[in-house]
Amino acid sequence: GDSVTQMEGPVTLSEEAFLTINCTYTATGYPSLFWYVQYPGEGLQLLLKATKADDKGSNKGFEATYRKETTSFHLEKGSVQVSDSAVYFCALSLSNFGNEKLTFGTGTRLTIIP
Amino acid sequence: NAGVMQNPRHLVRRRGQEARLRCSPMKGHSHVYWYRQLPEEGLKFMVYLQKENIIDESGMPKERFSAEFPKEGPSILRIQQVVRGDSAAYFCASSQQGVSTDTQYFGPGTRLTVL
Repeated sequence: GDSVTQMEGPVTLSEEAFLTINCTYTATGYPSLFWYVQYPGEGLQLLLKATKADDKGSNKGFEATYRKETTSFHLEKGSVQVSDSAVYFCALSLSNFGNEKLTFGTGTRLTIIP
Repeated sequence: NAGVMQNPRHLVRRRGQEARLRCSPMKGHSHVYWYRQLPEEGLKFMVYLQKENIIDESGMPKERFSAEFPKEGPSILRIQQVVRGDSAAYFCASSQQGVSTDTQYFGPGTRLTVL
């Protein structure tokens, strides 16, 4: 079945460090790919998305490129801030009508220390 | 433009009681999704509804769980005879077009605790 595998957490970094959170997927079709962020006690917020191969999603300094050849969608940020501390979820959605549900990875908890 | 609304935010039930969770989608959105998040886990899809129709319920437990999205009013996720294993955060999301490229917007969730 369709699945998303995320880098195991938790991840702890110092402020201004470079961030990579790995995400790979398995899908029977051509998925759209998403990164969502969840702050403590809150719902999920869309961080960025890409809907076809080689697309790059970007927002708030975060980037991820849809790599079909490696079935990956790794999240990167050049210089993290304390306010980036949250849980990050990679997810996919397939393009078959009636099957637009999101399939999530298990999440990666990120803590940034000053 | 109000986001996705869920209520209650916190719900406590004793084993055997019923839980009703409500979700009002964003204005202009007619596609609603329910997800469950168990402690320290990712979100799992439960059900996808459009107005008056269940489109995909492949993630719903076969017993005790039901969902509806009536022509008027919010979507309701109903859990009958709750058990401790139902304790989780339940999130609702809505989208405008219901296609895979569309963004799903999430509500703040309902945190259900079963005593």
